[in-house]
Amino acid sequence: AQSVTQLDSQVPVFEEAPVELRCNYSSSVSVYLFWYVQYPNQGLQLLLKYLSGSTLVKGINGFEAEFNKSQTSFHLRKPSVHISDTAEYFCAVIKFKNTDKLIFGTGTRLQVFP
Amino acid sequence: DAGVIQSPRHEVTEMGQEVTLRCKPISGHNSLFWYRQTMMRGLELLIYFNNNVPIDDSGMPEDRFSAKMPNASFSTLKIQPSEPRDSAVYFCASSTTPVVIYFGEGSWLTVV
Repeated sequence: AQSVTQLDSQVPVFEEAPVELRCNYSSSVSVYLFWYVQYPNQGLQLLLKYLSGSTLVKGINGFEAEFNKSQTSFHLRKPSVHISDTAEYFCAVIKFKNTDKLIFGTGTRLQVFP
Repeated sequence: DAGVIQSPRHEVTEMGQEVTLRCKPISGHNSLFWYRQTMMRGLELLIYFNNNVPIDDSGMPEDRFSAKMPNASFSTLKIQPSEPRDSAVYFCASSTTPVVIYFGEGSWLTVV
């Protein structure tokens, strides 16, 4: 079985503070990992992806994530958030042998306060 | 690139009516996906096509739902008859590599 767990449903943070959104996955085979962002009333936008190579992946808008195979985690981080980062963030995985099925976590609502 | 285009963006319909959602994938993409997003269940994959052929429809909730892809540039998701519990945001997405999937803006469906 394969699942994605986002441990925090909501993360409130003040502007310019650092943030980490947690994601853990379970899979018996290797996976590709993604973070998507959804702004209010919009679709999902790809933030970053890990396919292979360096375990530290940099994405758009100053976000980065680190793949940790031993801990089966892919946490998303940003050193200094902006009001405009307020959105829903989804972690997602694809199994190597089933590269057409993108499985999403339940999402984390990041709320940035001034 | 125009991105994945969905229509309508918003639809309000009465219970029992037929609903048709439309999707135009990104040109050149050979895989197309329909997802549903609700507060209770999050994002669920309903069905996906590869080269216009349905590959996996195990996520389609019941026989009231059907999806077609008559050609590489068009797909529909139909609900007949619609029920209030079908109210959700329906996303279409497409990809060309097997891995990176691009989403449309979604169709907000309300069944009253």
